Amino acid sequence: DAGVIQSPRHEVTEMGQEVTLRCKPISGHDYLFWYRQTMMRGLELLIYFNNNVPIDDSGMPEDRFSAKMPNASFSTLKIQPSEPRDSAVYFCASSRTFSNQPQHFGDGTRLSIL
Amino acid sequence: QQPVQSPQAVILREGEDAVINCSSSKALYSVHWYRQKHGEAPVFLMILLKGGEQKGHDKISASFNEKKQQSSLYLTASQLSYSGTYFCGTEPLNAGNMLTFGGGTRLMVKP
Repeated sequence: DAGVIQSPRHEVTEMGQEVTLRCKPISGHDYLFWYRQTMMRGLELLIYFNNNVPIDDSGMPEDRFSAKMPNASFSTLKIQPSEPRDSAVYFCASSRTFSNQPQHFGDGTRLSIL
Repeated sequence: QQPVQSPQAVILREGEDAVINCSSSKALYSVHWYRQKHGEAPVFLMILLKGGEQKGHDKISASFNEKKQQSSLYLTASQLSYSGTYFCGTEPLNAGNMLTFGGGTRLMVKP
């Protein structure tokens, strides 16, 4: 089976621009997670969905961040407007129903805001 | 609040053993362990569900002390391929599949 697919792999843009990150979870996985990884803060959970419904978005840093999951096979994380401190690696992960299940990570998007 | 991992970094020679610890301030339902190589995604190693449970895969094993809210990862007879950063992810009681990751332990295995 194909793993979690993220796009783009790298994104470089200027401050103030809108950034959209995309994720396709593994088919049959009911949970989808968005993480951000930086040297300073480590691996942080931003938001997660269960059956396309956002369950916990307490990790979303500001209103500039938004996430959607219009269907079971696609999710987006949007930053508008972007700022240099948003530079990080953003990972999407998915897992099967409920607890005790491993999370499978995509290759990540390395985002640089100039 | 994220779990605390120790040590932060460790350097080994091939064939040596290592232990990585993960400690949480919350009551836990499970502990997950992942390994991440530089520039790559975290890769799942194992989940521990019950107090006192110990699991193993090849020469990597782990234990979970539910009462102490601690887990330890044991790497035996380390290989060069073990190099990377190890993260524990803790799942509190009644948190579904939501994990909080520790700060990571950087492991380097030298020939």
